[in-house]
Amino acid sequence: QVQLVESGGGVVQPGRSLRLSCAASGFTFSSYGMHWVRQAPGKGLEWVAVIWYDGSNKYYADSVKGRFTISRDNSKNTLYLQMNSLRAEDTAVYYCARDRTAMVVSDDAFDIWGQGTMVTVSS
Amino acid sequence: SYVLTQPPSVSVAPGKTARITCGGNNIGSKSVHWYQQKPGQAPVLVIYYDSDRPSGIPERFSGSNSGNTATLTISRVEAGDEADYYCQVWDSSSAHVVFGGGTKLTVL
Repeated sequence: QVQLVESGGGVVQPGRSLRLSCAASGFTFSSYGMHWVRQAPGKGLEWVAVIWYDGSNKYYADSVKGRFTISRDNSKNTLYLQMNSLRAEDTAVYYCARDRTAMVVSDDAFDIWGQGTMVTVSS
Repeated sequence: SYVLTQPPSVSVAPGKTARITCGGNNIGSKSVHWYQQKPGQAPVLVIYYDSDRPSGIPERFSGSNSGNTATLTISRVEAGDEADYYCQVWDSSSAHVVFGGGTKLTVL
């Protein structure tokens, strides 16, 4: 079935790096835009980044721009989030999510979400 | 940057109608999507493009969008509808996805 599975979360010290992965299955990964969305404990959803289906464009929330990098490997059906210079305020559950429509960019909804992976930034 | 404003909480009795609003500057010119999130679970899409329902979402869920307010309406509310609800848009001017702050729906 259509599925997204995140991995790579854990506890990391401030200033260090972490890379999250999101393995996709059950659909043609290379046809869909993909996003990272995070949720701090007890807080609402915060969009982090998007990469278009062909990797041609990437956009970031102001809170992570310059520190986080979104990428994808369509041959491995995998989405990544490289997180550098981590801060306490980056502590959150990180979800990957898929655009609902293939080959559509920008204002689509997210129809498939992973179960999330927890990132804790603490000394 | 574009801001979406939701009421923190809405309460409704079982069988009644719940309306959750999402305010934004000229939001009627944007496409609004709505998600339901229950504790410990990932969000689930319940309404897309203002008023369309994904397969598997009950007809009790509907949406509208006009002017400065989008609304998610849940008819004949059930205990299982108790959850947090988030609205979402794409802000083309900043190339950012924007979520509302979320509304906790309590079924009395």
